[in-house]
Amino acid sequence: DTAVSQTPKYLVTQMGNDKSIKCEQNLGHDTMYWYKQDSKKFLKIMFSYNNKELIINETVPNRFSPKSPDKAHLNLHINSLELGDSAVYFCASSLNPGRGGPEQFFGPGTRLTVL
Amino acid sequence: GENVEQHPSTLSVQEGDSAVIKCTYSDSASNYFPWYKQELGKGPQLIIDIRSNVGEKKDQRIAVTLNKTAKHFSLHITETQPEDSAVYFCAARLDFGNEKLTFGTGTRLTIIP
Repeated sequence: DTAVSQTPKYLVTQMGNDKSIKCEQNLGHDTMYWYKQDSKKFLKIMFSYNNKELIINETVPNRFSPKSPDKAHLNLHINSLELGDSAVYFCASSLNPGRGGPEQFFGPGTRLTVL
Repeated sequence: GENVEQHPSTLSVQEGDSAVIKCTYSDSASNYFPWYKQELGKGPQLIIDIRSNVGEKKDQRIAVTLNKTAKHFSLHITETQPEDSAVYFCAARLDFGNEKLTFGTGTRLTIIP
């Protein structure tokens, strides 16, 4: 199946721990994103990478560090987890504007719970 | 930056009736307006989008209209079915370069059988 996939689907951890979420897309897209969806369902972009280069960083605390080993993968590492980090994190991808439309396709999400 | 407002936050309609969700945007430069449907426990799914060079677009039971002058756009779902129950998000961006997508706050649509 062609899709955006994320692991893990659920992540429960203690405050202060460090955790990572992984994302992979096999759509051949050039740009990948991380979004945070809070308890009120509000979707907000955190980061965007284009061909492994960071292009959007929405004033996210530096405890969050995205890493893109290649254009099909974008991982999110979070240090020193806080209660307020509890949310659902979505990965998404899209083609470059010059190669096609701006449509973004989302992964299934990772529900992070910090205790 | 862009700001997108979405109304209503919740909407209940009888099965078979129509549903309308409205959004307004602030940046007149925005020219791409997608709508996403998010079912429980899943990621948002693109259901329809419109660019600013057209005023209306239809795909079976769903349609989107755009009023550039007033800076608002709407999602219309006709002949609603129980499987239309979900949270719907509108969004806006400038379709150029690496501009970000700004989402509305979502509408929880419930179809009453």
